[in-house]
Amino acid sequence: SQQGEEDPQALSIQEGENATMNCSYKTSINNLQWYRQNSGRGLVHLILIRSNEREKHSGRLRVTLDTSKKSSSLLITASRAADTASYFCATVSNTGKLIFGQGTTLQVKP
Amino acid sequence: ETGVTQTPRHLVMGMTNKKSLKCEQHLGHNAMYWYKQSAKKPLELMFVYSLEERVENNSVPSRFSPECPNSSHLFLHLHTLQPEDSALYLCASSQDWGAHGELFFGEGSRLTVL
Repeated sequence: SQQGEEDPQALSIQEGENATMNCSYKTSINNLQWYRQNSGRGLVHLILIRSNEREKHSGRLRVTLDTSKKSSSLLITASRAADTASYFCATVSNTGKLIFGQGTTLQVKP
Repeated sequence: ETGVTQTPRHLVMGMTNKKSLKCEQHLGHNAMYWYKQSAKKPLELMFVYSLEERVENNSVPSRFSPECPNSSHLFLHLHTLQPEDSALYLCASSQDWGAHGELFFGEGSRLTVL
């Protein structure tokens, strides 16, 4: 299985701090995606990074990908209480199969 | 409406009931998915439809029966469910199946089986 495994499982920080979540996977990928889920709601796509990319930015989000280590990280800078949610990485194989990790639950305290 | 819409948002049913979950996407996508999300478990892919044809069925019990009458609508028919089937059921769509793109999710249907 090339399921993404997130680390840490839970993270609690103060507003204004940066939050870093990591994702590791097992086999080669076409791309890796990050999603966000507010409690009891659907998942929202945040960012997609292709296997030939090393870093990508979107607003306060920064994603890195190290294919040699089979890992990715999601950094949220200057966090806000509204960033409180679960964050999932999803690996996409070359055949298009998408598998989600178990997620990191982020709590940002005001 | 835009995006992916799921109804009902909440459903409580007994083990002998028959109910259906509905999903509708307004994005012009060709692939639609059902996922099950239980507490403390990863999202489980249940079914995938591409151009109204089922292309994946991941060992889901027969008490769950999907239906895709057209590329915009997806149903999950439920009958004689078990309490362990209580979960959040998420519908998603993508431009094409196997095309490496992102998924667009609905808000989910929270199912409680008594």
